[in-house]
Amino acid sequence: DAKTTQPTSMDCAEGRAANLPCNHSTISGNEYVYWYRQIHSQGPQYIIHGLKNNETNEMASLIITEDRKSSTLILPHATLRDTAVYYCIVRVLNDYKLSFGAGTTVTVRA
Amino acid sequence: GAVVSQHPSWVICKSGTSVKIECRSLDFQATTMFWYRQFPKQSLMLMATSNEGSKATYEQGVEKDKFLINHASLTLSTLTVTSAHPEDSSFYICSASNQGRREKLFFGSGTQLSVL
Repeated sequence: DAKTTQPTSMDCAEGRAANLPCNHSTISGNEYVYWYRQIHSQGPQYIIHGLKNNETNEMASLIITEDRKSSTLILPHATLRDTAVYYCIVRVLNDYKLSFGAGTTVTVRA
Repeated sequence: GAVVSQHPSWVICKSGTSVKIECRSLDFQATTMFWYRQFPKQSLMLMATSNEGSKATYEQGVEKDKFLINHASLTLSTLTVTSAHPEDSSFYICSASNQGRREKLFFGSGTQLSVL
């Protein structure tokens, strides 16, 4: 059973922020929210993860709602190279068996 | 950062032959590695968990005699697709966990297998 739900696809303009939503209403207290992306014909790439606080790194920001039932990945200035499938995954730290849903296909347009 | 190397990137083989795919953790020891399969326009599906020094654990529906996994060292796991057939054509991806950095799981670049 899918533990997260994401929109199937979204477009965004180059240079603009891309906001990718994810619902995880059944998340447990010890589960983290992870985001990976997969560029065509490559392995998934780690983006960011968080438990309950908002997180930011050089790639993106992660905003987690107070009830932890949803989150948003923010790519601050999308480039054409950010075109990829983005996966939102919940996991506990000791569980390395990631379950991938369908993800969101993000297309950045010039 | 930690890197997982996968080789080859792509392979074409004749039906009935066997193909071996290697997955290496380059700068950390991985007691556990994972093998995924991805068909076109679909998501990644976990095939098996590779455990160093012991037998692999296969997901339901994955034939262990067809997809042989060997994890002989802390830095290398291999997946052998035996007697490959066209329906085995797929994108195979490995991942490895760094026990010292549990928060991240690293993926290889994938292997595109085409069986003629």
